[in-house]
Amino acid sequence: AQTVTQSQPEMSVQEAETVTLSCTYDTSESDYYLFWYKQPPSRQMILVIRQEAYKQQNATENRFSVNFQKAAKSFSLKISDSQLGDAAMYFCAYRSAETSGSRLTFGEGTQLTVNP
Amino acid sequence: EPEVTQTPSHQVTQMGQEVILRCVPISNHLYFYWYRQILGQKVEFLVSFYNNEISEKSEIFDDQFSVERPDGSNFTLKIRSTKLEDSAMYFCASSEPITHEKLFFGSGTQLSVL
Repeated sequence: AQTVTQSQPEMSVQEAETVTLSCTYDTSESDYYLFWYKQPPSRQMILVIRQEAYKQQNATENRFSVNFQKAAKSFSLKISDSQLGDAAMYFCAYRSAETSGSRLTFGEGTQLTVNP
Repeated sequence: EPEVTQTPSHQVTQMGQEVILRCVPISNHLYFYWYRQILGQKVEFLVSFYNNEISEKSEIFDDQFSVERPDGSNFTLKIRSTKLEDSAMYFCASSEPITHEKLFFGSGTQLSVL
């Protein structure tokens, strides 16, 4: 079974600074997707960024980028120019691409605080 | 932009009662899911549903739980006899057609069992 681990329960960053959230995962599969979801206090799950395992190029979405290290099974999220609205719980998630419609497996989450 | 809609946003029930949580997935999506999140814990998979049947379920999804797509738009989760430990936020999600890669989540139903 796949597992996802986020070793940082809490992180904080100054507004306009850069922060990196860590995530590692364990799988025996070669084809999969990785995601970062943001959960603000409203508790809605919002997709931030996704990465296909077969792509070597790291995904980017505006101020959000990932550092995907397949051999190390590491998938970190970098938030540049942090804004107050980035404050939220961030979940890393894994999904197999070998089965259609497979489940998402989430990590424990990292609570990000942005200080003005 | 299309959204996954969940009702109600908050449900309070007595232990032992049956509850039905309702979801309207995005109209052209084909896979539907239920996840739950106990306060302060990670989001956990419950069940996935495709072509009018369960395609995968977790060990949490025991005989007390059932899912149904009673018409062309609604997707429901029923808990037959609620327990205190069923108190959680329940999220419905659906995934886009073709690749089924991205999941779109609803805003959740907070279930409180007293």
